[in-house]
Amino acid sequence: QVQLQESGPGLVKPSGTLSLTCAVSGGSISSSNWWSWVRQPPGKGLEWIGEIYHSGGINYNPSLKSRVTISLDKSKNQFSLKLSSVTAADTAIYYCARSPDVVPSLYYYYMDVWGKGTTVTVSS
Amino acid sequence: EIVLTQSPGTLSLSPGERVTLSCRASQSVSSSYLAWYQQKPGQAPRLLIYGASSRATGIADRFSGSGSGTDFTLTISRLQPEDFAVYHCQQYGSLPLTFGPGTTVDIK
Repeated sequence: QVQLQESGPGLVKPSGTLSLTCAVSGGSISSSNWWSWVRQPPGKGLEWIGEIYHSGGINYNPSLKSRVTISLDKSKNQFSLKLSSVTAADTAIYYCARSPDVVPSLYYYYMDVWGKGTTVTVSS
Repeated sequence: EIVLTQSPGTLSLSPGERVTLSCRASQSVSSSYLAWYQQKPGQAPRLLIYGASSRATGIADRFSGSGSGTDFTLTISRLQPEDFAVYHCQQYGSLPLTFGPGTTVDIK
């Protein structure tokens, strides 16, 4: 059973860069799945940040695209998120998630496995 | 971008009641690529429904989904104590993937 675990600093200074990692266990990051980052500001709904596929495919939310980088490390079986020029509006719980196995009939996917989430606060 | 609207914002109900939650899209969601998630306080979302009406693995059959185009519904046939939570819908027909704001189902 695949499990995901987010890690990274819980406090980031304004204008700094938020960096998080999602460790994948019980499965391979090179399997036929997209790997996503989703965030949830306090008391608000979910926002998709972006996703990556092991062969190099990457999709970002246009609202964050200029500040986001998602990458993948096959040797460590993990993927990462970097969000630059952060402000208080980036304070949120950040989740990593996996989409189900890729099938020819689908271009985009829902998320069937989620990490427990990590809280990131942007404050000086 | 497809904007999802969920109604009502909050529902106060008693165990055993039937619940109907609505998710409306700003434009048609192709091929009913609509998912529902349940989220309890302090927990990550859990997938309930995908493809508008297919239950995810291990999900009780009191949960059902329906709809197409721009109007989708999640129904809980008889509320159990563990069903009090926030329910989110998500479309995956086009990028960016988007979620609704959520509906809170709390105890009356």
